Amino acid sequence: DAGVTQSPTHLIKTRGQQVTLRCSPKSGHDTVSWYQQALGQGPQFIFQYYEEEERQRGNFPDRFSGHQFPNYSSELNVNALLLGDSALYLCASSLFKWGPSSLEQYFGPGTRLTVT
Amino acid sequence: AQSVTQLDSQVPVFEEAPVELRCNYSSSVSVYLFWYVQYPNQGLQLLLKYLSGSTLVKGINGFEAEFNKSQTSFHLRKPSVHISDTAEYFCAVSEGSGGSNYKLTFGKGTLLTVNP
Repeated sequence: DAGVTQSPTHLIKTRGQQVTLRCSPKSGHDTVSWYQQALGQGPQFIFQYYEEEERQRGNFPDRFSGHQFPNYSSELNVNALLLGDSALYLCASSLFKWGPSSLEQYFGPGTRLTVT
Repeated sequence: AQSVTQLDSQVPVFEEAPVELRCNYSSSVSVYLFWYVQYPNQGLQLLLKYLSGSTLVKGINGFEAEFNKSQTSFHLRKPSVHISDTAEYFCAVSEGSGGSNYKLTFGKGTLLTVNP
């Protein structure tokens, strides 16, 4: 049973460029959440996708956008990269439920993005 | 708004000693609490969670935590640590907002270093 997978593992981009990160959820899961983890910090919630729609969003600018595909995989896009976007980007998957059980998320290993 | 404070950024202990990692939260409504562990260059793994019921929660790898509503705390404990427990530990909280709109807010993490 494959867990959450993310690609690429590492990425180096230049300021102003655009980047796309990819995530495949754990088998049987239908909801994907994205988090940004800056160095020395805890993860910060970016947004969550379910049924190919953005359901919740954290305090991130519109430069951060996403997409969910019919097979439940997801992409995170960041436009006009800033140095401050350098971080580990984590994808977490879960099974849609009503109530706090929806918080039972499984995390992928992350994509390390470096902006120079 | 919900927030999490992990009171110690680093906790060094000797192998087989007991350890407590402290976590306090701020919330005005019912909360759901989690502890995650992150090993170097890996994603987050769920250690344990409190959603309801008994305030003493047991998790994987011999860890347990106690939910204390009056002190707004959710401290993580292990009676005897191993070298392999060396990792970053994150406390996370979510407020009860009903439906499926739950999102996690993480603390900044505590680095547990177990020395021989």
